[in-house]
Amino acid sequence: DAGVTQSPTHLIKTRGQQVTLRCSPKSGHDTVSWYQQALGQGPQFIFQYYEEEERQRGNFPDRFSGHQFPNYSSELNVNALLLGDSALYLCASTSAYEQYFGPGTRLTVT
Amino acid sequence: AQSVTQPDIHITVSEGASLELRCNYSYGATPYLFWYVQSPGQGLQLLLKYFSGDTLVQGIKGFEAEFKRSQSSFNLRKPSVHWSDAAEYFCAVVVTSYDKVIFGPGTSLSVIP
Repeated sequence: DAGVTQSPTHLIKTRGQQVTLRCSPKSGHDTVSWYQQALGQGPQFIFQYYEEEERQRGNFPDRFSGHQFPNYSSELNVNALLLGDSALYLCASTSAYEQYFGPGTRLTVT
Repeated sequence: AQSVTQPDIHITVSEGASLELRCNYSYGATPYLFWYVQSPGQGLQLLLKYFSGDTLVQGIKGFEAEFKRSQSSFNLRKPSVHWSDAAEYFCAVVVTSYDKVIFGPGTSLSVIP
């Protein structure tokens, strides 16, 4: 059984550009959450998707948006990238109270 | 608002020594409690979790944690540290089912051979 997968592994973008990150949840999990982990900090919750709708959202600007597909996979989109968006982006699929994390996508904004 | 604190930013221990990493949470009721480990450049691995019942929980890699309601604490322990335990450790809570995870700031562990 494959765990949570994310793509790409690494990404380098320029300020002002847009980026799309992808996540496939663990088999059977229908809820996907996204987290941003800046260097030296704990992960911060961005938002959660369930049944193709955003169910919860953390304190992130509208530049951060997402989508969930019928097969439960999910995308995170970030528009108008800022240098401060450089971070490890983690996807987690949820089963009740437990979340299973993917390996993350390292985004560098130059 | 719910929060998780890890008072120690960085800890250094000698290989073979015992380890205790501290975690305190702020919430009215007892949340669901977790410890994760993250090696450099890697994702998060779940070490152990507490939902209810016995307040001493066993996890992977020889780690254990004790929940103390009176102190709102969930400290992580290991009797004998190995060099491969050097990593970042995060305490985390979940308040309700399918809720977001609230992470502490992390404790960086270094192990001296």
